[in-house]
Amino acid sequence: DAKTTQPTSMDCAEGRAANLPCNHSTISGNEYVYWYRQIHSQGPQYIIHGLKNNETNEMASLIITEDRKSSTLILPHATLRDTAVYYCIVRVDSGGSNYKLTFGKGTLLTVNP
Amino acid sequence: DGGITQSPKYLFRKEGQNVTLSCEQNLNHDAMYWYRQDPGQGLRLIYYSQIVNDFQKGDIAEGYSVSREKKESFPLTVTSAQKNPTAFYLCASSSYDRPNQPQHFGDGTRLSIL
Repeated sequence: DAKTTQPTSMDCAEGRAANLPCNHSTISGNEYVYWYRQIHSQGPQYIIHGLKNNETNEMASLIITEDRKSSTLILPHATLRDTAVYYCIVRVDSGGSNYKLTFGKGTLLTVNP
Repeated sequence: DGGITQSPKYLFRKEGQNVTLSCEQNLNHDAMYWYRQDPGQGLRLIYYSQIVNDFQKGDIAEGYSVSREKKESFPLTVTSAQKNPTAFYLCASSSYDRPNQPQHFGDGTRLSIL
């Protein structure tokens, strides 16, 4: 699976949009981009994933560049409860070999009042 | 509500003792996974199972054992052979019906050595 690069930490004001970048310059054509977050002492929570097109759900939006070498997770109106470590992961669709997620160190997002 | 339940939340092990961590899911997922997380680190895969009565080693299987007798359950045993068992253990599951379905996680078990 392709390696990802994320900033170590970011700050965001409550109520503002949080934009979390991820670089995956070695991504291959059949690799999906996944985002998870982990609040301290809890299990990772799935947020969103995509291949080429931008995606949106009730939690966030995922913007993937046309060359697919980077992506941005957008939390449109950050709240204090969004403070967490955010992980960007790329994983190949192995046609059923749905196994390992490789978590890096992620980005610690701190939402400030 | 559907989800993944891990128990206990905290567990203490004595030297030379085997302990078993429970993981149950009611999501009707085929695949289940065990990960280990050390402080400040990412997750590392211990074992995974794609179907009942079958499982495969992950990256750090030594000192651990699993079973998959039921679709809903995937218990992990930390044996005395695991010399550094103190960690946060996470169980996950995913559907096999469609590709690229995300893995969903339980809230973890924190294991410490007495």
